Amino acid sequence: EDKVVQSPLSLVVHEGDTVTLNCSYEVTNFRSLLWYKQEKKAPTFLFMLTSSGIEKKSGRLSSILDKKELFSILNITATQTGDSAVYLCAVVPNTGNQFYFGTGTSLTVIP
Amino acid sequence: DSGVTQTPKHLITATGQRVTLRCSPRSGDLSVYWYQQSLDQGLQFLIQYYNGEERAKGNILERFSAQQFPDLHSELNLSSLELGDSALYFCASSPGQVFNEKLFFGSGTQLSVL
Repeated sequence: EDKVVQSPLSLVVHEGDTVTLNCSYEVTNFRSLLWYKQEKKAPTFLFMLTSSGIEKKSGRLSSILDKKELFSILNITATQTGDSAVYLCAVVPNTGNQFYFGTGTSLTVIP
Repeated sequence: DSGVTQTPKHLITATGQRVTLRCSPRSGDLSVYWYQQSLDQGLQFLIQYYNGEERAKGNILERFSAQQFPDLHSELNLSSLELGDSALYFCASSPGQVFNEKLFFGSGTQLSVL
């Protein structure tokens, strides 16, 4: 059965800390992996990864995919209170139009 | 603002009732997806429509149904509601004629079944 597991479930850090969020997956015929940020309500798109080893960066956020070991990490450096959110990982298989979402990592950044 | 509009924002109803959730996709997007998010389950894919036709089905209960209209807005109908149906229901749309990973989510409808 296809599944996506995120860890940790929750973490609390101080402003300025660096965090690493993990996403491991078991999906038949992998196509892509996506990261979303969910604040209050609607998830918003962060990154899409399709190839191993190529880091995607956007400001203080970066992500990398390891297709051999079937995982991805999302790094956030110099965290700010505005980074507080639930971060969702989703994997898309080649065979269908489905997104398999993990349950998310809840990040709280305290001043 | 993602450009995807969902109404209503909140819905409180009783068990056994029926409700309709509405979604207007971003202008030009042909695909609409429905997701259910509960505290313990995360985001669960329910169903996808593309240009009025059902394209993919996920873990959607038989008590639930959806459709996409010619103007591309979509409705999700939930009937014989149970306590366990309480959740946040998201609609998302994506552009293009082929499958596109980049989803734009609406703000969701919070359904509470009492």
